[in-house]
Amino acid sequence: GAVVSQHPSRVICKSGTSVKIECRSLDFQATTMFWYRQFPKQSLMLMATSNEGSKATYEQGVEKDKFLINHASLTLSTLTVTSAHPEDSSFYICSARDELWSTDTQYFGPGTRLTVL
Amino acid sequence: QKEVEQDPGPLSVPEGAIVSLNCTYSNSAFQYFMWYRQYSRKGPELLMYTYSSGNKEDGRFTAQVDKSSKYISLFIRDSQPSDSATYLCAMSSYSGNTPLVFGKGTRLSVIA
Repeated sequence: GAVVSQHPSRVICKSGTSVKIECRSLDFQATTMFWYRQFPKQSLMLMATSNEGSKATYEQGVEKDKFLINHASLTLSTLTVTSAHPEDSSFYICSARDELWSTDTQYFGPGTRLTVL
Repeated sequence: QKEVEQDPGPLSVPEGAIVSLNCTYSNSAFQYFMWYRQYSRKGPELLMYTYSSGNKEDGRFTAQVDKSSKYISLFIRDSQPSDSATYLCAMSSYSGNTPLVFGKGTRLSVIA
């Protein structure tokens, strides 16, 4: 299957700092990527849809000024958590949509565990 | 009614058992159906992908889709302790940038 990478896999930062997470599709191009967060023992929660070359679409309740998304190329989307606080500590997962041959499935990255002290 | 319903479990079975995981949905426009497996602290991994109704088999895994009943299943034969994970169903109507709709996930434990 297709491969999606995320970097870093784990980050610990102080409250008030900004953290950037990268999501790359390694062997296919993705015009659409998605960002999720997941709290322990809970399901995935979609944060935003990232579209190459245009503004991201945020889900209701997700602050677009706090979670900045940039999808500058067909293989890279970034999520920046600005002025992080302890309540932002979570598992952040990206996925990339493989749109080849009119199929429609998503491949997930391995996730980034963010801990804000 | 939620778009996708999935029993969260936990489901505990002995090694070697046949496991049946299920999801129901309400949106008749869904035509792509997927099952993902997620180990603790890892990203979901695509297990099975099915278009429209029918069965699909891959090794010990069989996915079934019954669009008339709006019901999908994943069967795991000869279950192994390494199958212990959370299984998420997901589906899509493939309408542009619409995200996949996920079930809540079923936690499975296979006991040796």
